[in-house]
Amino acid sequence: ETGVTQTPRHLVMGMTNKKSLKCEQHLGHNAMYWYKQSAKKPLELMFVYNFKEQTENNSVPSRFSPECPNSSHLFLHLHTLQPEDSALYLCASSQGVGGGVSDTQYFGPGTRLTVL
Amino acid sequence: ILNVEQSPQSLHVQEGDSTNFTCSFPSSNFYALHWYRWETAKSPEALFVMTLNGDEKKKGRISATLNTKEGYSYLYIKGSQPEDSATYLCAFIRVDSSYKLIFGSGTRLLVRP
Repeated sequence: ETGVTQTPRHLVMGMTNKKSLKCEQHLGHNAMYWYKQSAKKPLELMFVYNFKEQTENNSVPSRFSPECPNSSHLFLHLHTLQPEDSALYLCASSQGVGGGVSDTQYFGPGTRLTVL
Repeated sequence: ILNVEQSPQSLHVQEGDSTNFTCSFPSSNFYALHWYRWETAKSPEALFVMTLNGDEKKKGRISATLNTKEGYSYLYIKGSQPEDSATYLCAFIRVDSSYKLIFGSGTRLLVRP
């Protein structure tokens, strides 16, 4: 276990539904991330939060809305998604956002999302 | 090279074989290279973070080398075991990229007993 949990692990939703993905880290980290992995594509960064403040939005459509109420919790609110948004959504956390050894990212197991 | 490329895409080896795969990345503005191991239905697990040209890191039977001048890193597994079966990802960080990880597509390793 990496100390990062995600719920639900699987989610099927219609295009008109609203749902949320939840991530929780038990590592005392200050930074949290959302990544997306579509079929046959590399992991792609979506959002970065550092000390609860969003520091990166990688040109993500507004139908994805992140929320970080505290350094341990991260949500991804989903509404009016498209079938092409079906993917594996991974959460990660790190001590800081510097990218070096001390800022190794620890990943959750992901939520497999299917949009019908 | 503008992106991170990993080769081969997949690899099947016999238990006991040693194997290696490559991560290629842009050689300019290098900051760090991360290696991850990702078993199916589990979380990606950090293996190494490499920052200096010529770095060599080792963890058990797995080791990695880094050449920042030519833009590549090798991951070696000595005496592969079935439990080594996983996808191995590398991720590159540029100095001017707000420390974002740019991932390759991974090398999928299957070790047959």
